[in-house]
Amino acid sequence: EDQVTQSPEALRLQEGESSSLNCSYTVSGLRGLFWYRQDPGKGPEFLFTLYSAGEEKEKERLKATLTKKESFLHITAPKPEDSATYLCAVQADVNYGGSQGNLIFGKGTKLSVKP
Amino acid sequence: DAGVIQSPRHEVTEMGQEVTLRCKPISGHNSLFWYRQTMMRGLELLIYFNNNVPIDDSGMPEDRFSAKMPNASFSTLKIQPSEPRDSAVYFCASRPVGGPGNEQFFGPGTRLTVL
Repeated sequence: EDQVTQSPEALRLQEGESSSLNCSYTVSGLRGLFWYRQDPGKGPEFLFTLYSAGEEKEKERLKATLTKKESFLHITAPKPEDSATYLCAVQADVNYGGSQGNLIFGKGTKLSVKP
Repeated sequence: DAGVIQSPRHEVTEMGQEVTLRCKPISGHNSLFWYRQTMMRGLELLIYFNNNVPIDDSGMPEDRFSAKMPNASFSTLKIQPSEPRDSAVYFCASRPVGGPGNEQFFGPGTRLTVL
């Protein structure tokens, strides 16, 4: 069964204290891995898509990396405005029984950055 | 662009009543998704449409749930009769044709409370 596990469930950082969020996945043929940010009371906001092991993407203080079993979201020198829940999702390849549109989400990591 | 529009934003109803949630996708997007988010189960896909046609409804929990997409700019998710366990935040998302990836754009959600 395809599944996504994120850790930790919650993370508290001081402003400027760099850290990483983990997303472990099990999927029969990875079509893509997605990172989203979700603020309270809002819908998830797209951040990155990664397609193959070794790929990296960056946006401001965030960098996402991908291996064959997991993805990391590295946060460098975070600011309070980075506080949010970060969601990871995978899409299985249709040639391996995956659905064309089905994203399987993890439960997220709630990040709090204190000034 | 106004983004994905959902209505109502909040809905409180009593058990047994019919509930209808509405979604207007981003203009030009040809795929539409309905998700449900709870603390226990996270974000789960209920159903998705391509070009107004339902493609995968395997996530619809039971016959009390139904979804329609009569045209490219409107979709509804109906629950009849509603039950307290249906209480959750329901998100609609859309995806563009031929985008660089498979990123989905989410609406703000409808928070449903069934008493």
